[in-house]
Amino acid sequence: EVQMVESGGGLAQPGGSLRLSCAASGFSFSTDFMTWVRQAPGEGLEWVANINGDGSERYYVDSVKGRFTISRDNAKNSLYLQMNSLRAEDTAVYYCARDYYFNLDHWGRGTLVTVSS
Amino acid sequence: QSALTQPRSVSGSPGQSVTISCTGTSSDVGGSKYVSWFRQHPGKAPELIIYDVTQRPSGVPGRFSGSKSGNTASLTISGLQAEDESDYYCCSYAGSHSYVFGTGTKVTVL
Repeated sequence: EVQMVESGGGLAQPGGSLRLSCAASGFSFSTDFMTWVRQAPGEGLEWVANINGDGSERYYVDSVKGRFTISRDNAKNSLYLQMNSLRAEDTAVYYCARDYYFNLDHWGRGTLVTVSS
Repeated sequence: QSALTQPRSVSGSPGQSVTISCTGTSSDVGGSKYVSWFRQHPGKAPELIIYDVTQRPSGVPGRFSGSKSGNTASLTISGLQAEDESDYYCCSYAGSHSYVFGTGTKVTVL
């Protein structure tokens, strides 16, 4: 069974940092693109970033470029999102998802990030 | 990238059909083979119900169907059931490994 479990969310101050993790299982993790999607409270879904299987290609939505870094450790079947210079508008539930041939077919339950002083 | 446009809400009685539209541009919906739909119950993760415009993942009931014409994709739920009451989002590949989601539609079963 394909499964993703996110962790690392919590409360951060504006300008602060957090590192999200996503533990994946049940599929060939090292061959698949992986994606982070976020959802602000009461709002819709927003694609944040994705990374190819070997980590050599990374793509970001404009609003996080230069502040967030997506990475992966294929030996640990894990995906990461390093978030720096956090802003109030980054407050959201962050989901990791498998990007299987341009479709986000399996999602984790998400982890809540709150940016507030 | 601007969010794809969906109606805020649609409703129908049990057994009826409802259709949700998802309007984008030629840079996303109109030019993409990769349009998908997700169902999201409150407090839960999104669940893929349609991919590649018209395809259903295994386990998704046949009453869900997808289509596309020009820059607008559509999700039709036939034979509406109480359990279909949820939020629905479309999503399109938008090139350069980026994605754009729809604004979301709340489906209410009357």
